[in-house]
Amino acid sequence: DIQMTQSPPSLSASVGDRVTIICRASQSISRYVNWYQQKPGKAPQFLIYAATSLQRGVPSRFSGSGSGTDFTLTINNLQPEDFATYYCQYSYKTLAFGGGTKIDIK
Amino acid sequence: EVQLVESGGGLVQPGGSLRLSCAASGFPSGYNFDDFAMHWVRQAPGKGLEWVASISWNSETITYADSVKGRFTISRDNAENSLNLQMNSLRPDDMALYYCIKDAGSGQTSYYALDVWGQGTTVIVSS
Repeated sequence: DIQMTQSPPSLSASVGDRVTIICRASQSISRYVNWYQQKPGKAPQFLIYAATSLQRGVPSRFSGSGSGTDFTLTINNLQPEDFATYYCQYSYKTLAFGGGTKIDIK
Repeated sequence: EVQLVESGGGLVQPGGSLRLSCAASGFPSGYNFDDFAMHWVRQAPGKGLEWVASISWNSETITYADSVKGRFTISRDNAENSLNLQMNSLRPDDMALYYCIKDAGSGQTSYYALDVWGQGTTVIVSS
Protein backbone atom coordinates (compact mmCIF):
# COMPACT_ATOMS: atom_id res chain seq x y z
CA ASP A 1 0.00 0.00 0.00
CA ILE A 2 1.07 3.55 -0.69
CA GLN A 3 2.03 5.58 2.38
CA MET A 4 2.02 9.38 2.31
CA THR A 5 4.33 11.20 4.75
CA GLN A 6 3.91 14.92 5.30
CA SER A 7 6.39 17.30 6.85
CA PRO A 8 6.52 19.23 8.97
CA PRO A 9 3.58 18.15 11.18
CA SER A 10 3.18 21.78 12.19
CA LEU A 11 4.75 25.14 11.54
CA SER A 12 4.38 28.69 12.71
CA ALA A 13 4.27 31.51 10.21
CA SER A 14 3.33 35.14 9.84
CA VAL A 15 0.98 36.91 7.46
CA GLY A 16 2.86 37.58 4.25
CA ASP A 17 5.22 34.62 4.61
CA ARG A 18 5.87 31.99 1.98
CA VAL A 19 5.17 28.49 3.32
CA THR A 20 6.09 25.12 1.85
CA ILE A 21 4.67 21.76 2.92
CA ILE A 22 6.27 18.52 1.76
CA CYS A 23 4.53 15.24 1.01
CA ARG A 24 6.52 12.11 0.25
CA ALA A 25 5.07 8.91 -1.19
CA SER A 26 6.43 5.49 -0.27
CA GLN A 27 6.81 4.67 -3.98
CA SER A 28 6.52 6.54 -7.24
CA ILE A 29 2.95 7.71 -7.91
CA SER A 30 3.38 9.90 -10.97
CA ARG A 31 1.29 13.01 -10.27
CA TYR A 32 -1.61 11.34 -8.44
CA VAL A 33 -1.64 13.78 -5.54
CA ASN A 34 -4.29 16.17 -4.32
CA TRP A 35 -4.19 18.75 -1.55
CA TYR A 36 -6.88 19.85 0.92
CA GLN A 37 -7.28 22.60 3.50
CA GLN A 38 -9.21 22.04 6.70
CA LYS A 39 -10.18 24.71 9.20
CA PRO A 40 -11.26 23.83 12.75
CA GLY A 41 -14.79 22.45 12.91
CA LYS A 42 -15.15 22.43 9.13
CA ALA A 43 -15.00 19.84 6.39
CA PRO A 44 -11.86 19.86 4.24
CA GLN A 45 -11.77 21.96 1.09
CA PHE A 46 -10.30 20.72 -2.19
CA LEU A 47 -7.35 22.88 -3.25
CA ILE A 48 -5.16 21.19 -5.83
CA TYR A 49 -5.49 18.09 -8.01
CA ALA A 50 -3.02 16.12 -10.10
CA ALA A 51 -0.17 17.64 -8.11
CA THR A 52 -0.21 21.04 -9.78
CA SER A 53 -3.72 22.05 -10.95
CA LEU A 54 -5.62 24.59 -8.92
CA GLN A 55 -9.26 23.78 -8.19
CA ARG A 56 -11.74 26.44 -9.37
CA GLY A 57 -12.03 29.31 -6.94
CA VAL A 58 -8.77 28.62 -5.09
CA PRO A 59 -6.56 31.72 -4.84
CA SER A 60 -3.46 31.77 -7.03
CA ARG A 61 -1.18 32.17 -4.02
CA PHE A 62 -1.60 28.40 -3.62
CA SER A 63 0.51 26.20 -5.85
CA GLY A 64 1.56 22.58 -6.05
CA SER A 65 4.53 20.87 -7.58
CA GLY A 66 6.22 17.53 -7.83
CA SER A 67 5.98 14.11 -9.39
CA GLY A 68 7.16 10.62 -8.58
CA THR A 69 7.62 10.50 -4.83
CA ASP A 70 8.11 14.12 -3.74
CA PHE A 71 5.42 16.78 -3.76
CA THR A 72 5.08 20.25 -2.33
CA LEU A 73 2.29 22.66 -1.53
CA THR A 74 3.42 26.28 -1.47
CA ILE A 75 1.45 29.23 -0.15
CA ASN A 76 2.80 32.63 -1.14
CA ASN A 77 1.92 35.77 0.80
CA LEU A 78 0.17 33.85 3.59
CA GLN A 79 -3.18 35.38 4.48
CA PRO A 80 -5.05 35.22 7.82
CA GLU A 81 -7.59 32.80 6.34
CA ASP A 82 -4.82 30.37 5.38
CA PHE A 83 -4.07 29.34 8.95
CA ALA A 84 -5.40 25.81 8.85
CA THR A 85 -4.37 22.18 8.50
CA TYR A 86 -3.34 20.88 5.09
CA TYR A 87 -3.45 17.30 3.85
CA CYS A 88 -1.98 15.62 0.83
CA GLN A 89 -3.77 12.63 -0.66
CA TYR A 90 -2.80 9.86 -3.04
CA SER A 91 -5.46 9.27 -5.68
CA TYR A 92 -5.06 6.33 -8.03
CA LYS A 93 -7.73 3.61 -7.71
CA THR A 94 -7.62 4.12 -3.97
CA LEU A 95 -6.99 6.88 -1.49
CA ALA A 96 -4.42 7.55 1.21
CA PHE A 97 -3.88 10.73 3.19
CA GLY A 98 -0.80 12.26 4.64
CA GLY A 99 -0.81 12.97 8.35
CA GLY A 100 -1.49 16.68 7.93
CA THR A 101 0.43 19.91 8.48
CA LYS A 102 -1.00 22.52 10.80
CA ILE A 103 -0.07 26.13 10.10
CA ASP A 104 -0.52 28.46 13.03
CA ILE A 105 0.25 32.06 13.70
CA LYS A 106 3.77 32.88 14.84
CA GLU B 1 -24.34 23.48 -6.04
CA VAL B 2 -23.99 19.88 -4.91
CA GLN B 3 -24.97 19.29 -1.31
CA LEU B 4 -24.33 16.17 0.73
CA VAL B 5 -26.11 15.59 4.02
CA GLU B 6 -25.09 12.70 6.23
CA SER B 7 -27.26 11.09 8.85
CA GLY B 8 -27.37 7.98 11.02
CA GLY B 9 -24.54 8.67 13.41
CA GLY B 10 -24.91 8.15 17.12
CA LEU B 11 -23.82 6.23 20.17
CA VAL B 12 -23.34 2.48 19.82
CA GLN B 13 -21.78 -0.15 22.04
CA PRO B 14 -18.65 -2.02 20.97
CA GLY B 15 -19.65 -4.88 18.72
CA GLY B 16 -22.79 -3.08 17.62
CA SER B 17 -23.94 -1.87 14.23
CA LEU B 18 -24.87 1.42 12.67
CA ARG B 19 -25.98 2.48 9.20
CA LEU B 20 -24.92 5.85 7.86
CA SER B 21 -26.72 7.53 5.00
CA CYS B 22 -25.88 10.44 2.77
CA ALA B 23 -28.47 12.35 0.73
CA ALA B 24 -27.14 14.10 -2.36
CA SER B 25 -28.76 17.00 -4.18
CA GLY B 26 -28.06 20.05 -6.31
CA PHE B 27 -26.24 18.46 -9.22
CA PRO B 28 -25.51 20.81 -12.09
CA SER B 29 -27.55 20.66 -15.23
CA GLY B 30 -26.66 17.63 -17.30
CA TYR B 31 -25.32 15.63 -14.37
CA ASN B 32 -26.93 13.24 -11.92
CA PHE B 33 -25.88 11.43 -8.79
CA ASP B 34 -25.15 8.32 -10.83
CA ASP B 35 -22.47 10.15 -12.81
CA PHE B 36 -20.10 10.21 -9.88
CA ALA B 37 -18.15 7.85 -7.68
CA MET B 38 -18.63 8.46 -3.97
CA HIS B 39 -16.46 8.01 -0.93
CA TRP B 40 -16.52 7.85 2.86
CA VAL B 41 -13.67 9.37 4.87
CA ARG B 42 -13.51 9.57 8.65
CA GLN B 43 -11.71 11.70 11.17
CA ALA B 44 -11.22 10.66 14.76
CA PRO B 45 -11.30 13.47 17.33
CA GLY B 46 -8.13 15.56 17.05
CA LYS B 47 -6.70 13.28 14.37
CA GLY B 48 -6.14 13.34 10.63
CA LEU B 49 -8.23 12.13 7.73
CA GLU B 50 -8.62 8.40 7.07
CA TRP B 51 -10.16 6.97 3.92
CA VAL B 52 -12.84 4.35 4.65
CA ALA B 53 -14.48 3.18 1.42
CA SER B 54 -15.24 4.10 -2.19
CA ILE B 55 -17.90 3.07 -4.69
CA SER B 56 -18.03 3.67 -8.43
CA TRP B 57 -21.00 5.26 -10.16
CA ASN B 58 -22.56 1.87 -10.98
CA SER B 59 -21.46 0.04 -7.78
CA GLU B 60 -19.25 -2.29 -9.82
CA THR B 61 -16.02 -1.14 -8.22
CA ILE B 62 -15.94 -1.04 -4.43
CA THR B 63 -12.84 -0.67 -2.30
CA TYR B 64 -12.26 -0.56 1.44
CA ALA B 65 -9.51 0.44 3.81
CA ASP B 66 -7.94 -2.60 5.47
CA SER B 67 -9.10 -1.28 8.85
CA VAL B 68 -12.78 -1.74 7.93
CA LYS B 69 -12.70 -4.56 5.37
CA GLY B 70 -15.11 -7.34 6.30
CA ARG B 71 -16.97 -5.15 8.79
CA PHE B 72 -18.22 -2.20 6.72
CA THR B 73 -20.28 -2.25 3.53
CA ILE B 74 -20.66 0.72 1.21
CA SER B 75 -23.64 0.89 -1.12
CA ARG B 76 -25.61 3.38 -3.14
CA ASP B 77 -29.11 3.83 -4.45
CA ASN B 78 -28.93 5.92 -7.61
CA ALA B 79 -32.71 6.16 -7.87
CA GLU B 80 -32.80 7.76 -4.44
CA ASN B 81 -29.57 9.80 -4.79
CA SER B 82 -28.23 8.23 -1.64
CA LEU B 83 -25.02 6.68 -0.37
CA ASN B 84 -24.87 4.31 2.58
CA LEU B 85 -22.34 2.80 4.92
CA GLN B 86 -23.35 -0.25 6.93
CA MET B 87 -20.99 -0.60 9.87
CA ASN B 88 -20.90 -3.84 11.82
CA SER B 89 -18.72 -5.14 14.65
CA LEU B 90 -17.92 -1.57 15.65
CA ARG B 91 -14.83 -0.96 17.75
CA PRO B 92 -13.77 2.02 19.87
CA ASP B 93 -11.23 2.98 17.20
CA ASP B 94 -14.08 3.40 14.70
CA MET B 95 -15.25 6.40 16.68
CA ALA B 96 -14.99 9.41 14.37
CA LEU B 97 -16.74 12.02 12.28
CA TYR B 98 -17.73 10.31 9.03
CA TYR B 99 -17.79 12.37 5.85
CA CYS B 100 -19.68 11.57 2.66
CA ILE B 101 -17.81 12.89 -0.36
CA LYS B 102 -18.39 13.25 -4.08
CA ASP B 103 -15.65 12.30 -6.50
CA ALA B 104 -14.26 15.09 -8.65
CA GLY B 105 -14.34 12.97 -11.77
CA SER B 106 -16.65 14.10 -14.50
CA GLY B 107 -19.07 11.81 -16.22
CA GLN B 108 -18.48 8.26 -15.02
CA THR B 109 -14.71 8.43 -14.50
CA SER B 110 -13.46 8.12 -10.92
CA TYR B 111 -10.60 10.46 -10.11
CA TYR B 112 -10.38 9.51 -6.43
CA ALA B 113 -10.23 13.23 -5.76
CA LEU B 114 -12.69 14.64 -3.28
CA ASP B 115 -14.34 17.85 -4.40
CA VAL B 116 -17.57 18.10 -2.39
CA TRP B 117 -17.77 17.11 1.26
CA GLY B 118 -20.73 16.82 3.57
CA GLN B 119 -20.54 18.21 7.09
CA GLY B 120 -20.20 14.75 8.56
CA THR B 121 -22.04 12.58 11.05
CA THR B 122 -20.51 11.52 14.36
CA VAL B 123 -20.16 7.91 15.43
CA ILE B 124 -19.39 7.23 19.08
CA VAL B 125 -18.48 3.70 20.10
CA SER B 126 -18.60 3.29 23.82
CA SER B 127 -20.09 1.08 26.48
